[in-house]
Amino acid sequence: GQSLEQPSEVTAVEGAIVQINCTYQTSGFYGLSWYQQHDGGAPTFLSYNALDGLEETGRFSSFLSRSDSYGYLLLQELQMKDSASYFCAVRDRQGTDKLIFGTGTRLQVFP
Amino acid sequence: EPEVTQTPSHQVTQMGQEVILRCVPISNHLYFYWYRQILGQKVEFLVSFYNNEISEKSEIFDDQFSVERPDGSNFTLKIRSTKLEDSAMYFCASSDTRRPNGDTQYFGPGTRLTVL
Repeated sequence: GQSLEQPSEVTAVEGAIVQINCTYQTSGFYGLSWYQQHDGGAPTFLSYNALDGLEETGRFSSFLSRSDSYGYLLLQELQMKDSASYFCAVRDRQGTDKLIFGTGTRLQVFP
Repeated sequence: EPEVTQTPSHQVTQMGQEVILRCVPISNHLYFYWYRQILGQKVEFLVSFYNNEISEKSEIFDDQFSVERPDGSNFTLKIRSTKLEDSAMYFCASSDTRRPNGDTQYFGPGTRLTVL
């Protein structure tokens, strides 16, 4: 089957750096995305990696290693508003619209 | 900033009843999607829609489900005969590009469906 595994919960303090890992096992791979979801809110797109390496967008960076079937989201200079759930998502083949979401990681940022 | 909107925010219905969930995608977007999220679980793909037809659907999207773009702005999800297990948050999403340029699907705020 298809699976994307993430830690269920991560805690950190304001100003810190946190890394949220995603390990995927899918029949194919066509890009890894990250979404943020606040409680009761909609998933919001954060970043996308199609190729190996690091993509940086402000305080957030995302990394992909296709050979390891692994990626991570790095959040720097954490703020209280970063407290949310973070989901990785994969397309398992070219030409599909279907995003397969991970199990989600709940990030709690403390003052 | 343009956004996807959904109505109603919360729908309560009796088992066996039909419900229609409504979405207004971002105006210049061409690709539309429905996802659902059962409470405490991950987001699951239901269906994608392009050029007035379904382009892909998941195994969840059985004959009880249908989608429609009745006019130039709305995109609807109909569940013909709701079951208890249909209780979930339903998200509509839209995008202006398709896979080659990445995955920027913009999600609406969701409709919480409660089936009693």
